[in-house]
Amino acid sequence: DAKTTQPPSMDCAEGRAANLPCNHSTISGNEYVYWYRQIHSQGPQYIIHGLKNNETNEMASLIITEDRKSSTLILPHATLRDTAVYYCIVRAGNTGNQFYFGTGTSLTVIP
Amino acid sequence: GAVVSQHPSRVICKSGTSVKIECRSLDFQATTMFWYRQFPKQSLMLMATSNEGSKATYEQGVEKDKFLINHASLTLSTLTVTSAHPEDSSFYICSAVGQLNEAFFGQGTRLTVV
Repeated sequence: DAKTTQPPSMDCAEGRAANLPCNHSTISGNEYVYWYRQIHSQGPQYIIHGLKNNETNEMASLIITEDRKSSTLILPHATLRDTAVYYCIVRAGNTGNQFYFGTGTSLTVIP
Repeated sequence: GAVVSQHPSRVICKSGTSVKIECRSLDFQATTMFWYRQFPKQSLMLMATSNEGSKATYEQGVEKDKFLINHASLTLSTLTVTSAHPEDSSFYICSAVGQLNEAFFGQGTRLTVV
């Protein structure tokens, strides 16, 4: 079952940073935080994941609090194409462990 | 990123018939694949975990005899919806786990049972 809590929806102005929060207060020491997004009628797209250090790639940055009970996905310069449902998932790092999706945050980027 | 191909992307079938959906990892080998179902305006619901060379593990409430999963190779898993009924109409999505333990998803299959 999903172990994360996210706001159901958010708006962000085009060109501004989108900061998407996620609470995972029951995360275990061996569980990673993953972020995916899903654009309407497509399969989810991998964005980023991390264990305890902050991570950055070409798509986004992931900020994990020191106690690891929450994290924030940052899209530095949101575009209209970033409008999607964003899912935060916690999962142990073994290959066979499942990815359980919660309800996610529907992000709308406004022109 | 790694590519997972799902086929077909869209299928319409008659009630009572069976439908097979294929999921392929194109540029990596995946010992583990997952199958999900998604109804309109809802999140993805995990149906089963498919492990290469062994029986799939089904989530609670998912009928294993209705949703047959075969993972015969490290690059291919199939989901067969047997004796499909209108309530099985849904968006089915597969994913394969890459070497860094991230899951890559197929583009999904829209199944409509009439």
